[in-house]
Amino acid sequence: GNSVTQMEGPVTLSEEAFLTINCTYTATGYPSLFWYVQYPGEGLQLLLKATKADDKGSNKGFEATYRKETTSFHLEKGSVQVSDSAVYFCALSDRYSSASKIIFGSGTRLSIRP
Amino acid sequence: GAGVSQSPRYKVAKRGQDVALRCDPISGHVSLFWYQQALGQGPEFLTYFQNEAQLDKSGLPSDRFFAERPEGSVSTLKIQRTQQEDSAVYLCASSFRDTPGETQYFGPGTRLLVL
Repeated sequence: GNSVTQMEGPVTLSEEAFLTINCTYTATGYPSLFWYVQYPGEGLQLLLKATKADDKGSNKGFEATYRKETTSFHLEKGSVQVSDSAVYFCALSDRYSSASKIIFGSGTRLSIRP
Repeated sequence: GAGVSQSPRYKVAKRGQDVALRCDPISGHVSLFWYQQALGQGPEFLTYFQNEAQLDKSGLPSDRFFAERPEGSVSTLKIQRTQQEDSAVYLCASSFRDTPGETQYFGPGTRLLVL
């Protein structure tokens, strides 16, 4: 079945450090890929998405490229800020499922030190 | 416009009690999803509505869980005879339509604690 595997946290970095959170997926069809973020005390919100191979999603300085050959969608940011501290979820939806339900990874908690 | 809203935000129930969780999706959104998020985990799919039709309920963990969306707008997730393992955050999401890659907008969730 479809699944998402992402690196376990917590990840702790200093401000302005480079961030990578690894994500790989297994899917029978041609999924759309997402990164969702959950800030402390807030709801889940879409950070970025890519709907086909080689697409790059980007938002707020974060980027992720849909790599079909390696079934990966790694999240990167060149210079993190304290305000980026949150839990990040990699996710997919499979267009061949009965509905575009989202399958989430287990989440990676990111903490940024000033 | 307003986002997805859910109520109550917190619910404490005694084991065996019935609970009802409400979701108000974004106006005009056709698709509505319920997810369950256990502590420290990612959300897991429970059920999906397209307008008033429940098209997928494959994620409901038992027949104690029941969801409805009678007029194609507000939805209610009902849990009968709650058990401690039902303790989780219940998330509702809506999307404008059900097409590949469509963005789902999530509500703040209802945190359920069963004692």
